[in-house]
Amino acid sequence: DTEVTQTPKHLVMGMTNKKSLKCEQHMGHRAMYWYKQKAKKPPELMFVYSYEKLSINESVPSRFSPECPNSSLLNLHLHALQPEDSALYLCASSPFSGEVLAGNTIYFGEGSWLTVV
Amino acid sequence: AQSVTQPDIHITVSEGASLELRCNYSYGATPYLFWYVQSPGQGLQLLLKYFSGDTLVQGIKGFEAEFKRSQSSFNLRKPSVHWSDAAEYFCAVVPNAGNNRKLIWGLGTSLAVNP
Repeated sequence: DTEVTQTPKHLVMGMTNKKSLKCEQHMGHRAMYWYKQKAKKPPELMFVYSYEKLSINESVPSRFSPECPNSSLLNLHLHALQPEDSALYLCASSPFSGEVLAGNTIYFGEGSWLTVV
Repeated sequence: AQSVTQPDIHITVSEGASLELRCNYSYGATPYLFWYVQSPGQGLQLLLKYFSGDTLVQGIKGFEAEFKRSQSSFNLRKPSVHWSDAAEYFCAVVPNAGNNRKLIWGLGTSLAVNP
């Protein structure tokens, strides 16, 4: 069972709406991530938080705004999205800071399905 | 360029048959290797990983993978497939040298299981 919990599981929003995706982990992991995944494709990294600080932004448009209120929580604020932003948004966490360290393993949540209409 | 290749886009097997999913990588040094599975409508679940040591790695759900340095491969195997194994399987690597040491994903293999 995944120990990364994401809410909501499904979200439909209009292009002028503001909504948020939420993620929580209680494994004591020090890094948290947001990925975007289109159907039948591998996930694409969006953001990495390390020790609650944004460490990587993969040139994501500003209509996506991440927030890390504490070491267990990660939010993704959505505003003025486009239909092409419709996708599965995956939150993940790993024990060590950053994605690249030896021995680091990334654990994923079940995702939030986002539809922009 | 560094890359991960999963040569089979789609595979269909009968329930109870054996399974092998292929993964090849192109890096100078042995990277860290992972297999993830994604059931329909679900997130990604880690099946197994290889960092060093024994080249035959056991994972969850009865899966195993063998790292072969000479072939730059990390193929996933299961002796007897169950209908619930129908899913998308992703191989991923992290280079253990260089500056761009992020997860590099294969394009995935879609597994269908016939009853």
